Amino acid sequence: EADIYQTPRYLVIGTGKKITLECSQTMGHDKMYWYQQDPGMELHLIHYSYGVNSTEKGDLSSESTVSRIRTEHFPLTLESARPSHTSQYLCASSEGRLADNEQFFGPGTRLTVL
Amino acid sequence: GENVEQHPSTLSVQEGDSAVIKCTYSDSASNYFPWYKQELGKGPQLIIDIRSNVGEKKDQRIAVTLNKTAKHFSLHITETQPEDSAVYFCAATPLSGTSYGKLTFGQGTILTVHP
Repeated sequence: EADIYQTPRYLVIGTGKKITLECSQTMGHDKMYWYQQDPGMELHLIHYSYGVNSTEKGDLSSESTVSRIRTEHFPLTLESARPSHTSQYLCASSEGRLADNEQFFGPGTRLTVL
Repeated sequence: GENVEQHPSTLSVQEGDSAVIKCTYSDSASNYFPWYKQELGKGPQLIIDIRSNVGEKKDQRIAVTLNKTAKHFSLHITETQPEDSAVYFCAATPLSGTSYGKLTFGQGTILTVHP
């Protein structure tokens, strides 16, 4: 079992609310990622971090923001949620060394914006 | 950037049969190809991976083949069991350069194994 956690698991909120999705890992991994998973299943990278104080946008444009102040913590924030943000959000981490590229995924947060 | 196409989108087999899922990729710089299994309510989990210096890799009932010239790779599951039912994703990434470690996923395949 991978030691990567996401809270909350489910969130239903109204339009315009500010939300933060939490992601923590206890494996000491330098690399962390956020993916958005469509109802049709496809996974899209929206943010990634290669270490503390390093964040980059992924391939899919997202209105969310991330921060990486501690190695183990990689929260994602939406300043003003909209129905178009309704989706499953998956956090992942990896050691990132050449010999070990496995990404470990958390269980996901299913967000519904009304 | 990389583009990964995965087929079929759904696959239904009888227990004991084999299942094959195929993926193609576009970026010749990609050289690491993992396969993930996602069960209901869980995040994806790595089941097998292959690097470009290897043409085939096997782990018990699961095998992956890679054809770098044709830019395609496949997952083979033999002697399928009901617990193999899940969504399977292929992915690709280069292990160097600015895109190092950034996985591009295929669209996913829903595998159903009927008892």
